[in-house]
Amino acid sequence: AQSVTQPDIHITVSEGASLELRCNYSYGATPYLFWYVQSPGQGLQLLLKYFSGDTLVQGIKGFEAEFKRSQSSFNLRKPSVHWSDAAEYFCAVDAANQAGTALIFGKGTTLSVSS
Amino acid sequence: DAGVTQSPTHLIKTRGQQVTLRCSPKSGHDTVSWYQQALGQGPQFIFQYYEEEERQRGNFPDRFSGHQFPNYSSELNVNALLLGDSALYLCASSRSPTSTNEKLFFGSGTQLSVL
Repeated sequence: AQSVTQPDIHITVSEGASLELRCNYSYGATPYLFWYVQSPGQGLQLLLKYFSGDTLVQGIKGFEAEFKRSQSSFNLRKPSVHWSDAAEYFCAVDAANQAGTALIFGKGTTLSVSS
Repeated sequence: DAGVTQSPTHLIKTRGQQVTLRCSPKSGHDTVSWYQQALGQGPQFIFQYYEEEERQRGNFPDRFSGHQFPNYSSELNVNALLLGDSALYLCASSRSPTSTNEKLFFGSGTQLSVL
């Protein structure tokens, strides 16, 4: 069965420092992969997605992610974190490869930003 | 242009009761998906509605049912509430259920507490 693992429950990064959030997936075929961000009291906002092609994907708010098939990973990165990036981040895989409407989410990583 | 709107924002029920949650999709969207997000967990896919029919379903019991109306809005019904049903219920809409270029837009959710 498809699954998503986010190994880090909570990460604290200094403002201006770089960030990498880890995501590993289990899926038989080439997956459709997503990263979402959730601020307190808010719904989920799509940061970026990977369907095929270039394995380095650019997203909104300066985020990028790299798909590595050999490692079954889709890690999220940002070169310089801002205090407003503090939020919950979720990696997700599309269970049916149908536009990401039936997603399987990881348990999330909480990002705190220190000054 | 209003995004995905959900009502109510908060709800308190007791065990055994029934609850109905409502969702209006983003303008121009015809597909609605529902997710359950328990505390400290990632969202879990409940089901998806398109053309007033349930198209996909996650691993949820029959106590969870839904409906989609001709104006594309949707309801989620949960019968015989259990304490474990306490969660944030997220509605998401998209332009179609199968286009690979579409993305989900999430509402802010309904926080259901079962006492």
